[in-house]
Amino acid sequence: SAVISQKPSRDICQRGTSLTIQCQVDSQVTMMFWYRQQPGQSLTLIATANQGSEATYESGFVIDKFPISRPNLTFSTLTVSNMSPEDSSIYLCSVVILRETQYFGPGTRLLVL
Amino acid sequence: KQEVTQIPAALSVPEGENLVLNCSFTDSAIYNLQWFRQDPGKGLTSLLLIQSSQREQTSGRLNASLDKSSGRSTLYIAASQPGDSATYLCAGDTSGTYKYIFGTGTRLKVLA
Repeated sequence: SAVISQKPSRDICQRGTSLTIQCQVDSQVTMMFWYRQQPGQSLTLIATANQGSEATYESGFVIDKFPISRPNLTFSTLTVSNMSPEDSSIYLCSVVILRETQYFGPGTRLLVL
Repeated sequence: KQEVTQIPAALSVPEGENLVLNCSFTDSAIYNLQWFRQDPGKGLTSLLLIQSSQREQTSGRLNASLDKSSGRSTLYIAASQPGDSATYLCAGDTSGTYKYIFGTGTRLKVLA
């Protein structure tokens, strides 16, 4: 299995500001993803964090709004830029290892006022 | 566009009952399928993974099956316990790229 940590665990932010979320994995992984879970909703994939190259974004998500870095095989960051109340969500990173099982971090709970 | 529906959306049962949770994909092309549980205020815990070459997986009181021809999966929980209370999510990799699409979830409450 994989142990995944995220920082911060929660935050309250003002409209128009940006927040960077960190994801740290205890082992080297190839596949790393960022998801969003809006209040009362299921999870939606934001992007695939690619090591050494630009992230691959899903439909409806753009790099200017959600820039992602992946400097190595154990770490990634997701920035939520120019936040609005609609960005209030839980943001989760996940990895796929060992016979294709997907593991999730504990999530970052973001409230935008 | 692939959509994943879970039925029922919510379920409340007395302790000891056997339960069946359903998951249905609009596109039946599924490579891998996972079932997760999510506890309030916490992340997701992987319960069972059905890989592309498999049709069923079992772990303790949990059994998951996948019918690829219909795009349907079932999670069976035997002898339910209050500790099973959580939201259960199914997720499918429908492109072979490990990008999972999540279902709408079933909120389960098991009463003592």
